[in-house]
Amino acid sequence: GENVEQHPSTLSVQEGDSAVIKCTYSDSASNYFPWYKQELGKGPQLIIDIRSNVGEKKDQRIAVTLNKTAKHFSLHITETQPEDSAVYFCAASAQTGRRALTFGSGTRLQVQP
Amino acid sequence: DTAVSQTPKYLVTQMGNDKSIKCEQNLGHDTMYWYKQDSKKFLKIMFSYNNKELIINETVPNRFSPKSPDKAHLNLHINSLELGDSAVYFCASSQGGPINEKLFFGSGTQLSVL
Repeated sequence: GENVEQHPSTLSVQEGDSAVIKCTYSDSASNYFPWYKQELGKGPQLIIDIRSNVGEKKDQRIAVTLNKTAKHFSLHITETQPEDSAVYFCAASAQTGRRALTFGSGTRLQVQP
Repeated sequence: DTAVSQTPKYLVTQMGNDKSIKCEQNLGHDTMYWYKQDSKKFLKIMFSYNNKELIINETVPNRFSPKSPDKAHLNLHINSLELGDSAVYFCASSQGGPINEKLFFGSGTQLSVL
């Protein structure tokens, strides 16, 4: 089945700096790669996603890049703000086996004011 | 106007007890899920139902039994609770699924087994 690895597990940046979180996946047939943000005491919420026919997608301060050859994708947050502090999860869709989203282990982002 | 609501938010119980967590979605979605998040924040799918039909049943103890009375509800019943069942349980839904679709999560039920 699909295996998703996510790095780093924790990330601390100064307000205004950029943050980058990286994920690799194992199933070359995976074609959907969402990113979720989980704030304290809440459920994960989708912030951006990308499909395999696209190499990059941007939404205001958030961007995601996908390299299908290398089987990795990254989340980029620019001009970070304290409210960006949360746990971020990447995920990949498995096209074989149980055919469900497989989540990475999460990155705790702390934006220092 | 909560899209995916689950109750209770907190559940503290003794080992060996039986408990249920309820979930309802008002989004008109066809697919609902139960995810387990452990203390290290790992999110792992447990079950998925599409139009009341079980489509994903991960390797979880058979003490866990999901029930979907209709496509807007997916409840989770846990028998003979064990210490290792302590976790946060999230209900989620999607329009289609279970892949390639945006998931809408509830706010979670924190289960503590003493």
